[in-house]
Amino acid sequence: GAVVSQHPSWVICKSGTSVKIECRSLDFQATTMFWYRQFPKQSLMLMATSNEGSKATYEQGVEKDKFLINHASLTLSTLTVTSAHPEDSSFYICSATTLYYGYTFGSGTRLTVV
Amino acid sequence: AQSVTQPDIHITVSEGASLELRCNYSYGATPYLFWYVQSPGQGLQLLLKYFSGDTLVQGIKGFEAEFKRSQSSFNLRKPSVHWSDAAEYFCAVERAGNMLTFGGGTRLMVKP
Repeated sequence: GAVVSQHPSWVICKSGTSVKIECRSLDFQATTMFWYRQFPKQSLMLMATSNEGSKATYEQGVEKDKFLINHASLTLSTLTVTSAHPEDSSFYICSATTLYYGYTFGSGTRLTVV
Repeated sequence: AQSVTQPDIHITVSEGASLELRCNYSYGATPYLFWYVQSPGQGLQLLLKYFSGDTLVQGIKGFEAEFKRSQSSFNLRKPSVHWSDAAEYFCAVERAGNMLTFGGGTRLMVKP
C-alpha cells in the first residue's frame, strides 16, 4: 500500500532554533500533503495543505512565517518550525491522499522545545 | 461547517467485553466518514470508512461501524475487546478539498 515516511520521529531543540520535518511518499506521488498538529491528549488539527510546486494554504490562526512548508517534489514535503518556542512543542503528522488507498499518514514527529 | 463530536473522552472496558464508541457528525450532504486508531506516539491507522451503500461497514481487527443518517451517527463497535485494542480512536469526516476534520478522540483502556 501507500506509505508515507516521516522523519525524524522525535526531536528536541533549543528555544529560538529551527527544526525541519520531512515527509516522503515512498511508492506513490503525493500531489497534496496535509500537515496536522496534535497537542497532548487532543485531536488532530489541520495546519496547512501543501501542493507540489505551489504555495501552501494555511488554516486560520496558523502563522505561515513560523511554519514554513515546502513541497518541491511529488515525493517530498517539509515543514520547518522556525524560531521554535516551548509552546510549539507538539506532535506533528503529515498525510497524503491517493485515489486508491485514500488517506495515508506518516508516523508523526514529537517536537520538544526546551 | 462540518464538525465531528466524540462524546466520550475516556472509556474503560474489560477484556472480552463488547465496545461501542460514539461519533456524531454535522454535515450538509452525505458524508464520507472514517474511523482511525492511534497508538501512543504513532500515526493513524485506518480502521474503516463509509462512502455510500451498505450502512454497516466492516473494518480491520474485527471492528465495524454503522452509519445512521437519522441520528447523524457513525458509531464504532467491536463484539469482544482485546488488550491490544487499548489506544486512541478518532472519528473523522471528509470535507471539501479532500481534507479531514477529526473528532476529539476517545481513549480506550482495557482492563484485564
